[in-house]
Amino acid sequence: KAGVTQTPRYLIKTRGQQVTLSCSPISGHRSVSWYQQTPGQGLQFLFEYFSETQRNKGNFPGRFSGRQFSNSRSEMNVSTLELGDSALYLCASSLAAGGYSEQYFGPGTRLTVT
Amino acid sequence: DQQVKQNSPSLSVQEGRISILNCDYTNSMFDYFLWYKKYPAEGPTFLISISSIKDKNEDGRFTVFLNKSAKHLSLHIVPSQPGDSAVYFCAASLGANNLFFGTGTRLTVIP
Repeated sequence: KAGVTQTPRYLIKTRGQQVTLSCSPISGHRSVSWYQQTPGQGLQFLFEYFSETQRNKGNFPGRFSGRQFSNSRSEMNVSTLELGDSALYLCASSLAAGGYSEQYFGPGTRLTVT
Repeated sequence: DQQVKQNSPSLSVQEGRISILNCDYTNSMFDYFLWYKKYPAEGPTFLISISSIKDKNEDGRFTVFLNKSAKHLSLHIVPSQPGDSAVYFCAASLGANNLFFGTGTRLTVIP
């Protein structure tokens, strides 16, 4: 069974631009969660989608948004990029929603904002 | 506000010895706890979990201990192997909500 895939793996953007990251979950998984990982902050929860609906949202500004498609693939968008948005963005898929269901992580997208 | 804390950013242990990774949390409502391991250039992978109704869960070389009164979680790896060298994240779940992760501890097992 194929794992969680994320594209692109690396991205360099300029301040003020916007970016879209993509996540393809494991086949059959309906929940996709997104996390931001920065040094010293660990993994910060961004949002979770289940069956195309945003189920949970972390404490991030509205510049961070996402969506999920009917095939469970998910995209995350960040508008008006800031230097502080430089981070590793991880997505994780699971069979069910919420923290009880084991999450399988993708390799992440490394975003650098200059 | 970091609800799950890993106060040791790094830990070095000799091969064959015990590795003890610690995690503290602030929210007494957390009811499920997990440990994830992360190698460079890979996403975290699930290692072991424990429900708040238990105080110990064991899986091979890995044992997780939960002390609810102290709001403290620990992961014991015995014996430690060089392949265990990675960053370890503890995480906690509040009901069926999202996971709250700690900042990670980098474990280095010295051959």
